[in-house]
Amino acid sequence: NAGVTQTPKFQVLKTGQSMTLQCAQDMNHNSMYWYRQDPGMGLRLIYYSASEGTTDKGEVPNGYNVSRLNKREFSLRLESAAPSQTSVYFCASSHGTSGNNEQFFGPGTRLTVL
Amino acid sequence: GIQVEQSPPDLILQEGANSTLRCNFSDSVNNLQWFHQNPWGQLINLFYIPSGTKQNGRLSATTVATERYSLLYISSSQTTDSGVYFCAVPDNTDKLIFGTGTRLQVFP
Repeated sequence: NAGVTQTPKFQVLKTGQSMTLQCAQDMNHNSMYWYRQDPGMGLRLIYYSASEGTTDKGEVPNGYNVSRLNKREFSLRLESAAPSQTSVYFCASSHGTSGNNEQFFGPGTRLTVL
Repeated sequence: GIQVEQSPPDLILQEGANSTLRCNFSDSVNNLQWFHQNPWGQLINLFYIPSGTKQNGRLSATTVATERYSLLYISSSQTTDSGVYFCAVPDNTDKLIFGTGTRLQVFP
């Protein structure tokens, strides 16, 4: 039982390049989330998916797109990376049901945009 | 939206000391999570605690939902306790709102 996994662990991009961050969970969770964490700060929600087939914007969605590929996988895409997107990106998942919404986090992806 | 404040922002302890971290939130919530972010950046779930008290080894947490706060107690601290401690609560659409964290350094 791996929990929440993310790839890659590290990535360096040049301004304008694109990339996709991958996330998968094996806990049969309904809800999945993408957060970013900037130095010295807490996490901020980028996008989330309450269930397979649905996605919604979080607090800081600009510059990102997401795909809920199936129940297990939720990807985050940067179409044209900018230095302001240098951050650590975390994926999380939860059952998503009222009364049982504990979130579990992956190990993170450290992204640097030059 | 809901506001989450943590105190103190920084805490320096000698190994063996006890500490209390506080999390205040501005609106009623139906659950609350405490996390430890270790020096390698990994987020570790400590407690899922909508109300009452839970204990796990040297750590315990108490949430008083009616008064909108939660406390995390660390007893007999160890160097491995170092890192940042976050609390997080769901907003009205069940998305987690994180506090800004308490940075703990434990020295031998």
